[in-house]
Amino acid sequence: DTAVSQTPKYLVTQMGNDKSIKCEQNLGHDTMYWYKQDSKKFLKIMFSYNNKELIINETVPNRFSPKSPDKAHLNLHINSLELGDSAVYFCASSQDGRVWELFFGEGSRLTVL
Amino acid sequence: ELKVEQNPLFLSMQEGKNYTIYCNYSTTSDRLYWYRQDPGKSLESLFVLLSNGAVKQEGRLMASLDTKARLSTLHITAAVHDLSATYFCAVDTGNTGKLIFGQGTTLQVKP
Repeated sequence: DTAVSQTPKYLVTQMGNDKSIKCEQNLGHDTMYWYKQDSKKFLKIMFSYNNKELIINETVPNRFSPKSPDKAHLNLHINSLELGDSAVYFCASSQDGRVWELFFGEGSRLTVL
Repeated sequence: ELKVEQNPLFLSMQEGKNYTIYCNYSTTSDRLYWYRQDPGKSLESLFVLLSNGAVKQEGRLMASLDTKARLSTLHITAAVHDLSATYFCAVDTGNTGKLIFGQGTTLQVKP
């Protein structure tokens, strides 16, 4: 059983489209995150939710909207996709924000054409 | 703003050699983490360093933390091809649950 699972793993779409990436964790954690890894492998946090409440919101364009329907799920919706949104998006989870026990998903590679 | 810098960013080495990857960070933090990422894969936690002077070893890899110097090192002993990957250090910013990552060091071990 995958601890942190993301779907889809690959996503190719046109500029201007709207797309979503889903994340689910079965670890019973209460904190979930979205990280973005760009083409130079640089990783940066985008959002963090604790028990469905937004905790961290980095300077991310408001075209990106995370949604947490329950503490086991954190989805990422992106409106009006741009070329620069092409990246690998990693979901992660931990308990009580304990980043020393952070579990990452496999990543979702988004390509915007 | 907290910055985390790794050095070198790319490292090509022969099997059997030793080398060290350095991770410097710009603000006070007692917690530092090392991750490994294989191409197209997720991040695998290697070491969690939670205090000044912490040293952890796993196989051919050893990590240490000097919080006064704001420096962590990842030492590779007698490298083997299987160690080829990208290695990231990341610093814990405190109670926010946010990790700041270094740029990554891509290690290539040649037979």
